[in-house]
Amino acid sequence: DQQVKQNSPSLSVQEGRISILNCDYTNSMFDYFLWYKKYPAEGPTFLISISSIKDKNEDGRFTVFLNKSAKHLSLHIVPSQPGDSAVYFCASMTGANNLFFGTGTRLTVIP
Amino acid sequence: DAMVIQNPRYQVTQFGKPVTLSCSQTLNHNVMYWYQQKSSQAPKLLFHYYDKDFNNEADTPDNFQSRRPNTSFCFLDIRSPGLGDAAMYLCATSRASNQPQHFGDGTRLSIL
Repeated sequence: DQQVKQNSPSLSVQEGRISILNCDYTNSMFDYFLWYKKYPAEGPTFLISISSIKDKNEDGRFTVFLNKSAKHLSLHIVPSQPGDSAVYFCASMTGANNLFFGTGTRLTVIP
Repeated sequence: DAMVIQNPRYQVTQFGKPVTLSCSQTLNHNVMYWYQQKSSQAPKLLFHYYDKDFNNEADTPDNFQSRRPNTSFCFLDIRSPGLGDAAMYLCATSRASNQPQHFGDGTRLSIL
């Protein structure tokens, strides 16, 4: 049973515009949420995280929004750059160590 | 640079022939994890070590074992690989629970 879902397998965005990647989860016990970026032939790279006590966390061009009532989080990238083209994984965890991943969204930023 | 290093990057083994994948870290993190990722699927946690304490996920097959001889190294042993075990195996580390996990580049395992 997939507890973390990324319903869009791919997304294409023009360079300079905003990229919005979405993620839904089903387990109300999740209290920590992360986004990872993955280039081909490399492991996932940690990008940004948010605790369940917050609804927004910003780091440079990357902002993560959390809507606990909707069990939804999103990653905004502004402005999008060609180097942002990668697969983005959403992940969630409880206080334990198990990290539950979504299946990923492939972002293509078109120059 | 502090890193999580997985060797080899590509591993081919025969059906039923034991294989060991290795992971080392220079981050001095307490927790080390092994994930299995099959094509177009999310990474799935197999087990993790918190220091020397081993924690196995309930649905991890008995065929999969792990060893952590010291803080820096962790091994994944597959005793009798089947065709269904062909996958990418990812090692990760974290400083503690509820901290971001840092991943190696993975070992892609093929079974002949």
